[in-house]
Amino acid sequence: GENVGLHLPTLSVQEGDNSIINCAYSNSASDYFIWYKQESGKGPQFIIDIRSNMDKRQGQRVTVLLNKTVKHLSLQIAATQPGDSAVYFCADILYGQNFVFGPGTRLSVLP
Amino acid sequence: GAVVSQHPSRVICKSGTSVKIECRSLDFQATTMFWYRQFPKQSLMLMATSNEGSKATYEQGVEKDKFLINHASLTLSTLTVTSAHPEDSSFYICSARFQGAEAFFGQGTRLTVV
Repeated sequence: GENVGLHLPTLSVQEGDNSIINCAYSNSASDYFIWYKQESGKGPQFIIDIRSNMDKRQGQRVTVLLNKTVKHLSLQIAATQPGDSAVYFCADILYGQNFVFGPGTRLSVLP
Repeated sequence: GAVVSQHPSRVICKSGTSVKIECRSLDFQATTMFWYRQFPKQSLMLMATSNEGSKATYEQGVEKDKFLINHASLTLSTLTVTSAHPEDSSFYICSARFQGAEAFFGQGTRLTVV
C-alpha cells in the first residue's frame, strides 16, 4: 500500500455481520503482509500476517486473503463486535526492510 | 506478544523547545526500530529506520537535524524533536523488530507544541 494521505474510507457493518476490509499494495516484490488494528489514540496492534507463498491464513475470527496476481489483500472479520471498531491498516514489507502502510479503513460497528 | 513501551504518551511543550520520546523493547532485543508520524485520519508515515549502533536512515523529506534519532542499545531508541514548532504537533509512533518481519508498536506519543 501507498500512503497517499487521504481521509480514511469508512466501512459500517451491523454487529454480528461479517466485515471485509480491502487493501491494494503496489510492490510485487513484497513478500510479507500484516494487518494492524489501531484504536483511537493508540499505536497499531498486530492482527494477522501472511507470507507471499500463501493465499489464505486464518486466525481467531479473522482471515486474511492474498491475491498476488492483482496485488490485493483482504481482512475478513467474522461476527463483528463493537470492540472491532477501529482503523485497520495493511502493511507490506519492501525488500525485507521497511513497512509500507496502506491508507487505512475505519470500521464502524453499528448496534 | 512482544511489548514495546513508548514514553511519554502525551507531551505539551512550548515552541522552540526540544522534546525527547523514548521507545523501549521490553522483552526482546530490537535489531531495528522504526519511527512513524501520523496526522489525524491519515496512515502512518515512516520517518526513519534505525539499526542498533549505526546512524538512522531518514525518509525523503524528513529533516535529520530536526528529528534526532539515537539507537544506542538493542532495547532503546529515542527520537528528539528539536526546536519544536506547532506544525510538529502530531502523533509519533515507534516500532521494533527482531530479525523477523513482524514489528511491534509502541503506544504512541501525542505531541502538542504551543
